Amino acid sequence: DGGITQSPKYLFRKEGQNVTLSCEQNLNHDAMYWYRQDPGQGLRLIYYSQIVNDFQKGDIAEGYSVSREKKESFPLTVTSAQKNPTAFYLCASSIAQLNTEAFFGQGTRLTVV
Amino acid sequence: DQQVKQNSPSLSVQEGRISILNCDYTNSMFDYFLWYKKYPAEGPTFLISISSIKDKNEDGRFTVFLNKSAKHLSLHIVPSQPGDSAVYFCAARAGGTSYGKLTFGQGTILTVHP
Repeated sequence: DGGITQSPKYLFRKEGQNVTLSCEQNLNHDAMYWYRQDPGQGLRLIYYSQIVNDFQKGDIAEGYSVSREKKESFPLTVTSAQKNPTAFYLCASSIAQLNTEAFFGQGTRLTVV
Repeated sequence: DQQVKQNSPSLSVQEGRISILNCDYTNSMFDYFLWYKKYPAEGPTFLISISSIKDKNEDGRFTVFLNKSAKHLSLHIVPSQPGDSAVYFCAARAGGTSYGKLTFGQGTILTVHP
């Protein structure tokens, strides 16, 4: 079955620690994205990548870093510089074509204590 | 600066009746609009979309209407079913940007009562 896999589903970290969220897709999509959702808010774009070895900042990139070494993988690192890291993180992918939807993974709930 | 707004945080509808979810936007560069449905602790799933060259798109029980002059779109669900109860997000993409680089509204919680 093709899809987007995010792992783990729940993640707990101590304040001050970096943590990396995994996102893998087997849809052969060129573009991948990371969004963040906070309670009562819509999804906000953190980073996106349209091709391997290239990525751009989204609207709220501060305190986050990404890499795109393989087409299938787009891991997100939440660094200690992110002031409010506790949130629901969603990875998405899409084909490189206009007027097409993005497909989302099941999300990772990160809690920093 | 909230470029996509869903002003109704929640909507309650009786089973079998019509559900109308509304969305307003401010960025005139948006040319593609989507609706996603989301259950708690899950990723959003795509429902329906519309290009700015159209004013209506239908898919089964779901119809999206776009009023470009008013910068307004709406999602109609007819008839509503209890399984439709979820959070609905409106999203928009600006022309010339990355394909999945979407701007989302805050979401509307739809509850369909049996």
